[in-house]
Amino acid sequence: DAKTTQPNSMESNEEEPVHLPCNHSTISGTDYIHWYRQLPSQGPEYVIHGLTSNVNNRMASLAIAEDRKSSTLILHRATLRDAAVYYCILGEYSGGGADGLTFGKGTHLIIQP
Amino acid sequence: DSGVTQTPKHLITATGQRVTLRCSPRSGDLSVYWYQQSLDQGLQFLIQYYNGEERAKGNILERFSAQQFPDLHSELNLSSLELGDSALYFCASSSLSLDTQYFGPGTRLTVL
Repeated sequence: DAKTTQPNSMESNEEEPVHLPCNHSTISGTDYIHWYRQLPSQGPEYVIHGLTSNVNNRMASLAIAEDRKSSTLILHRATLRDAAVYYCILGEYSGGGADGLTFGKGTHLIIQP
Repeated sequence: DSGVTQTPKHLITATGQRVTLRCSPRSGDLSVYWYQQSLDQGLQFLIQYYNGEERAKGNILERFSAQQFPDLHSELNLSSLELGDSALYFCASSSLSLDTQYFGPGTRLTVL
């Protein structure tokens, strides 16, 4: 299975942009890149997903490298509510893999006021 | 609020017992997934149902079973409980199989 590598933790200041990196050097040509986050004491929450082109939605932007070996989740203006664990997940379908979503350890994002 | 509901919120039981966790998917969603989150194993996929049929199986123990009913709600049954089964159990749903998943708030199971 293609794996992802994310920093264990990152810290940012409130109201500043946050760039969360993810490396996936063994990604296959048909793998989607998914991002989920888990706020404290809550279930995981879908953030965004993409295949080749950069994607934007109301929560975030996803920038995908041209060779698709890495991607960056961009939170344009972080708030305290964005403090969470962010998971970068590969899957061959738009909703994940054939065997559900494979969560790694993710990046623990800390937002300072 | 994702629209996925799970009951109960908390469950405390003893080793050897059997419990049932319940999940109601978002309105219109046909697919239900179950995940287990423990401190040492992280978030792991257990099983997926689509429109009443089992679709995919992950790291689900033989002591665990699930089903999806005609009204599309799902139940996860855990039997012969062990201390190591203490975890958060999440249900997720998606409109179709392999579509974006929306997670419920989870059931925290404590086995004493």
